[in-house]
Amino acid sequence: DSGVTQTPKHLITATGQRVTLRCSPRSGDLSVYWYQQSLDQGLQFLIQYYNGEERAKGNILERFSAQQFPDLHSELNLSSLELGDSALYFCASSPRPGPADTQYFGPGTRLTVL
Amino acid sequence: GQQLNQSPQSMFIQEGEDVSMNCTSSSIFNTWLWYKQEPGEGPVLLIALYKAGELTSNGRLTAQFGITRKDSFLNISASIPSDVGIYFCAAQNYGGSQGNLIFGKGTKLSVKP
Repeated sequence: DSGVTQTPKHLITATGQRVTLRCSPRSGDLSVYWYQQSLDQGLQFLIQYYNGEERAKGNILERFSAQQFPDLHSELNLSSLELGDSALYFCASSPRPGPADTQYFGPGTRLTVL
Repeated sequence: GQQLNQSPQSMFIQEGEDVSMNCTSSSIFNTWLWYKQEPGEGPVLLIALYKAGELTSNGRLTAQFGITRKDSFLNISASIPSDVGIYFCAAQNYGGSQGNLIFGKGTKLSVKP
């Protein structure tokens, strides 16, 4: 158990819909990262937050947005869902922005878009 | 964009055999990492490497940071059934303009008892 929690574990929805994925970082961690894992693209970095502020952006679509709240939990919002958005979405946390060996991954949310 | 080419894609081996997998890139990185992912779980860090030429072990696992800084290797000795999973290489230019973590596509390891 990494100490990072993600909810829900599974999510099934339809095309065109909007969903919100939630992540609670490890106790004391201020930085949160979101990753997408799909069969064709593999694991890809989406976005990073540190203490409530966006820190870095990766291959995140405009239909996707995220935020980190004052209690440090983070939400990833996916809208106008397409079939290709079906994937595992992972959250990772670290004490602060730093080398990757400080990141701990959560168990992921499996999103299925029908 | 930057890519990591990881091979092989999958391996089917007998318990007790040694395993080797590698990861290459056309870009230079200052950090290479190896993760293991089991079904229903997120990636778990196995080994992190910070210097070109560095060789680091974690139990039966040994990884090397290539001298060119464009590749890395992971070896597992005397495999056991619990080694089953997907192994990912990852790389980062920590402190640089491209500091995000980039992953290979993974090597799926199956171990026959």
